[in-house]
Amino acid sequence: ETGVTQSPTHLIKTRGQQVTLRCSSQSGHNTVSWYQQALGQGPQFIFQYYREEENGRGNFPPRFSGLQFPNYSSELNVNALELDDSALYLCASTEAGGYSTDTQYFGPGTRLTVL
Amino acid sequence: DAKTTQPTSMDCAEGRAANLPCNHSTISGNEYVYWYRQIHSQGPQYIIHGLKNNETNEMASLIITEDRKSSTLILPHATLRDTAVYYCIVRAPRSGNTGKLIFGQGTTLQVKP
Repeated sequence: ETGVTQSPTHLIKTRGQQVTLRCSSQSGHNTVSWYQQALGQGPQFIFQYYREEENGRGNFPPRFSGLQFPNYSSELNVNALELDDSALYLCASTEAGGYSTDTQYFGPGTRLTVL
Repeated sequence: DAKTTQPTSMDCAEGRAANLPCNHSTISGNEYVYWYRQIHSQGPQYIIHGLKNNETNEMASLIITEDRKSSTLILPHATLRDTAVYYCIVRAPRSGNTGKLIFGQGTTLQVKP
């Protein structure tokens, strides 16, 4: 157990809807990264939040957005859902921000299905 | 694109050592090698990481070649619960980077009774 929690565990949405996924980081961790994992693929980096600011972004469109709160928990929002957004969404927390060698610890993920 | 190359799949007998290879021939001098594993439909689990020296923890050992172009993850006594996809990741250098993890396809390790 890493102490990183995510909610909900599973979610089913229809195309065009909006979704919010939540992540609580491990105690003492102030950086949260989000990843998308399509079936049969490795996780792909979406973005990272450090001290409530976006600290880097992968190759994902603007309809993927996020927030980080003062308690370091985070949300991932996806607007105008598409069928290809169906995936396992993972968040990972890190103890210190901005240091690439800090280990990322992953939560269990949220399985999103878009119909 | 991932900077590492791993075999797609491997088998190991329960109780034997599992040796998982990884090639990272373009690794930079200040990049670390990280290993994670992912059991079906769960979040990736951190195993171990290293820069140039061999490393050991309660889960595994990491052997990095002297030229740092390849490494081997060793699970000394594999159990059925070690069946998972194992990812070898070269971590981006420190300066001005998020330290994002770039996952490849990984190696599917099947531990057999």
